[in-house]
Amino acid sequence: GNSVTQMEGPVTLSEEAFLTINCTYTATGYPSLFWYVQYPGEGLQLLLKATKADDKGSNKGFEATYRKETTSFHLEKGSVQVSDSAVYFCARALMGSGYSTLTFGKGTMLLVSP
Amino acid sequence: KAGVTQTPRYLIKTRGQQVTLSCSPISGHRSVSWYQQTPGQGLQFLFEYFSETQRNKGNFPGRFSGRQFSNSRSEMNVSTLELGDSALYLCASSPLQWGVWTSGQPPWYEQYFGPGTRLTVT
Repeated sequence: GNSVTQMEGPVTLSEEAFLTINCTYTATGYPSLFWYVQYPGEGLQLLLKATKADDKGSNKGFEATYRKETTSFHLEKGSVQVSDSAVYFCARALMGSGYSTLTFGKGTMLLVSP
Repeated sequence: KAGVTQTPRYLIKTRGQQVTLSCSPISGHRSVSWYQQTPGQGLQFLFEYFSETQRNKGNFPGRFSGRQFSNSRSEMNVSTLELGDSALYLCASSPLQWGVWTSGQPPWYEQYFGPGTRLTVT
């Protein structure tokens, strides 16, 4: 099947701490993988993406590497800021649909304190 | 360029009623997708429309329906509301054009999400 599993939150960190949010997916075909972020009261925004194995997506200091051997796409950031507090969603796209149908993980809330 | 807009932003309905939510995509985008977000189930795909035709459908009962107009604006309707329909309904548009690619892996198109409509069923 097509599913995405990510670590439950909330993840609570102090400013400048290192962040890892784990994400694994079921290996049906060769999906494209995404991380979306949702700030309070807003819709989802694409944070980064990787469309094939070993690709590394990066944006705003966040990184994630598409690991086919472990079917993982963990999100990392070396030094978080208070403004990074949000809910983060890992997602995969179904093949053959123009990537228009996304399957999301349950989301991980990140809380960063000063 | 204006983003995806959804109306209304908040809605309160009672069980048994029906509701219609509206989504206006980014200008030039013809693909519109709908998602339901709940604390228990997370984000789940409802359906996708392109050029007034439903292209994909998620695993939701027939009470959930949608349509798309010639100007790409989309509406979704939920009939006979249940308490469990309380959720944030998100709409996303993309520049995806079905049928453009002829072979191999289809190109990737980013989906742009609106702020959502918060539906509360009492």
